[in-house]
Amino acid sequence: GQQVMQIPQYQHVQEGEDFTTYCNSSTTLSNIQWYKQRPGGHPVFLIQLVKSGEVKKQKRLTFQFGEAKKNSSLHITATQTTDVGTYFCAGRKAAGNKLTFGGGTRVLVKP
Amino acid sequence: SAVISQKPSRDICQRGTSLTIQCQVDSQVTMMFWYRQQPGQSLTLIATANQGSEATYESGFVIDKFPISRPNLTFSTLTVSNMSPEDSSIYLCSVGEPLEKLFFGSGTQLSVL
Repeated sequence: GQQVMQIPQYQHVQEGEDFTTYCNSSTTLSNIQWYKQRPGGHPVFLIQLVKSGEVKKQKRLTFQFGEAKKNSSLHITATQTTDVGTYFCAGRKAAGNKLTFGGGTRVLVKP
Repeated sequence: SAVISQKPSRDICQRGTSLTIQCQVDSQVTMMFWYRQQPGQSLTLIATANQGSEATYESGFVIDKFPISRPNLTFSTLTVSNMSPEDSSIYLCSVGEPLEKLFFGSGTQLSVL
């Protein structure tokens, strides 16, 4: 079945630094979504990428969809304590509604 | 956006009993899903709740263990039957339109003793 993997599993970041988390799918995706889950909270939608090579920005967050539509990345610049949480990517195969979630990257920010 | 009310928010249950979790949405939605999230883990799809018909279960999940109802486009229930400690987890209701983003309920934290 479809697998979605994320690395790293954990990310300890000094406040103010940048980091990137990566998402890789075993199959080609029709689209990929990113969610953020704060500690004790539920996942909240961040963005959806649909086109090959697509890049979208949300303030300090930059999301990219790979050319082959099998991988994606989330880059955060100038990390803040509000960035703490787990970031999940979730992929959809072509012609399907089911979202398969990656394992998540748990981000801790050191002030 | 959709506002989801999920109840109960948490429960502690005895082995062998059943718990029904409710998910109420403030608007009609096409897709409703039930996920399970073990502590510190990712989200695993249990099933898609289909309005007026039997739910579609993912591999490893069966109707006898996780019966699901969806009587209309705004409401669904998930029952965790004959519980064991291995069922201790967070159960999340989510809704969305086809191919679009998902909205999640606040979850039900279940502990089975």
